[in-house]
Amino acid sequence: AQKVTQAQTEISVVEKEDVTLDCVYETRDTTYYLFWYKQPPSGELVFLIRRNSFDEQNEISGRYSWNFQKSTSSFNFTITASQVVDSAVYFCALIPGFQKLVFGTGTRLLVSP
Amino acid sequence: GAVVSQHPSRVICKSGTSVKIECRSLDFQATTMFWYRQFPKKSLMLMATSNEGSKATYEQGVEKDKFLINHASLTLSTLTVTSAHPEDSSFYICSARDLGQKNTEAFFGQGTRLTVV
Repeated sequence: AQKVTQAQTEISVVEKEDVTLDCVYETRDTTYYLFWYKQPPSGELVFLIRRNSFDEQNEISGRYSWNFQKSTSSFNFTITASQVVDSAVYFCALIPGFQKLVFGTGTRLLVSP
Repeated sequence: GAVVSQHPSRVICKSGTSVKIECRSLDFQATTMFWYRQFPKKSLMLMATSNEGSKATYEQGVEKDKFLINHASLTLSTLTVTSAHPEDSSFYICSARDLGQKNTEAFFGQGTRLTVV
């Protein structure tokens, strides 16, 4: 079965705090892609990162970092020194093989000043 | 990155009328486009997959006669909500992927907020 689990429904932090959004996936495919998207209140989906199953290197992009662990089937996303503009719903997603995208249920992040 | 343009961004229509939503890939050829529906505070639910030049594949529980999908060219797919009812009010979003490019993410349109009154 192909599945993405984002156990955290909503997270509230105060500005400048670090926050980690969890993502656990399930797939039997050996080739797959993992994504994170941001959905601000306006609704559009903003692509943040793509990782393929053969690349376990962690990635850092500014205040964002991603930790991909195949051993635990996790692809967690950390925001360092959060800002109010980071407030959004964040979706983790999986493309198993070359099939259709499977979304997690999303984590709503609220960053207060 | 690649751009997917969705239009309109917002539409209000009367019950019983039909609404067409367009999804265009602006700088790549989208052999496959996907249509999602998102209820408030919920995840995206895949409605159907459309392949250029062939009939769309609908997910279980999605009425194909209600949600007509046409993918007539490599850059355009349309979703028509026929005989709309208030329960069809939702956020609809499309994505496009060129499966000829294996190493490509799915690019999303800006979404369309449909309100049926």
